Amino acid sequence: NAGVTQTPKFQVLKTGQSMTLQCAQDMNHEYMSWYRQDPGMGLRLIHYSVGAGITDQGEVPNGYNVSRSTTEDFPLRLLSAAPSQTSVYFCASSYSRSGSNMVFFGPGTRLTVL
Amino acid sequence: AQTVTQSQPEMSVQEAETVTLSCTYDTSESDYYLFWYKQPPSRQMILVIRQEAYKQQNATENRFSVNFQKAAKSFSLKISDSQLGDAAMYFCAYRKDLPSGTYKYIFGTGTRLKVLA
Repeated sequence: NAGVTQTPKFQVLKTGQSMTLQCAQDMNHEYMSWYRQDPGMGLRLIHYSVGAGITDQGEVPNGYNVSRSTTEDFPLRLLSAAPSQTSVYFCASSYSRSGSNMVFFGPGTRLTVL
Repeated sequence: AQTVTQSQPEMSVQEAETVTLSCTYDTSESDYYLFWYKQPPSRQMILVIRQEAYKQQNATENRFSVNFQKAAKSFSLKISDSQLGDAAMYFCAYRKDLPSGTYKYIFGTGTRLKVLA
């Protein structure tokens, strides 16, 4: 198993540009989520999904869109990038909705918006 | 709202010594899960240890153990016999179950651990 993969590893955007951060997992996990990590603020939940076709907002959803057309993929779209979106983005997945399940994190994407 | 607080932005420990990282949390729920994650320079998030709130026994994983004080809402991580490879950012996390049957994680701001040779 490849686990949770994220592409790209690094990205530089100009203000106003759009892009999609890719996340995929090959563990047949139902639950997938996106976090952003900023210095001094830990990880904050952007969006999450409990299965194909089902998504919901986390703590900081503004400026981001997600979709879940398949169990494996959970892309994060930045519609019009802003400097405030400069951050490291992590995708995570787990099998079960509840219980003491283990969460698997991807390697992260470092995004800089100029 | 649930919060997770890590009051030590940075800690240092001598190789082979023991260090304790602090974490406190706030919740009104009685059943929940707590976690410690390690993030080395590679940025990968690695699960170190987890604790179920309904278990009184403190979780242990080799050199890593926790001191879970439910009444005080405290969840500290003890690393014994520290190794150079333990140097990383450590995050404390609380798993909040949602009415929809799903859940979300609430993370602390992290403690950077330096291990001195």
